[in-house]
Amino acid sequence: EMYLVESGGTLVQPGGSLRLSCAASEFTFSNYGMTWVRQAPGKGLEWVSYISNNGADTYYADSVKGRFTIFRDNAKNSLYLQMNSLRAEDTAVYYCGRNGGGFDYWGQGTLVTVSS
Amino acid sequence: QSALTQPRSVSGSPGQSVTISCTGTSSDVGGYNYVSWYQLHPGTGPKLMIYDVNKRPSGVPDRFSGSKSGSTASLTISGLQAEDEADYYCCSFAGNYNFVFGGGTKLTVL
Repeated sequence: EMYLVESGGTLVQPGGSLRLSCAASEFTFSNYGMTWVRQAPGKGLEWVSYISNNGADTYYADSVKGRFTIFRDNAKNSLYLQMNSLRAEDTAVYYCGRNGGGFDYWGQGTLVTVSS
Repeated sequence: QSALTQPRSVSGSPGQSVTISCTGTSSDVGGYNYVSWYQLHPGTGPKLMIYDVNKRPSGVPDRFSGSKSGSTASLTISGLQAEDEADYYCCSFAGNYNFVFGGGTKLTVL
């Protein structure tokens, strides 16, 4: 069975940095584009970022552009999200998803809390 | 990019059908046949229910169907079951590898 497992979420102060990881297994990771999506408490889903299968192309939501960086290591079957200059409004559960005809597989999410 | 518009809540009795709408613009829903729908139960990751407007992933019951007319997409669930109670989100490609989600709809099975 295919797995995506996010990690790295924690409590961080405003202005701080954090790196999220997403470990993939049981599929050929390098064949798929990957996405980060988040859900703030009591809010809906928000698309955050996308990376192509080889990492050459990256795209961001306007709300995180210039502060977040998506990257991947296909040798380690891992996806990352480097988050800098964090704000209270970045508080959310962050999910990684596989782009395979919609976002066809997701992890369980990791909680990021930005607060002093 | 503004969120797609979904009703906050819908409800139906077991065995009935419900339809959830998702309204966007010509820059997203109306411009591309890349609308997908996700089911979200508390504490779990989203589950893909429909992609490319009306395609159903393997394992998703055929009670779930999708359609689109102009800038409005719809998810119809027929033969409602208790386990269908969840939050549902639509999502559309919005060009240049940007995506936009709807605000979410809470489905209650009475």
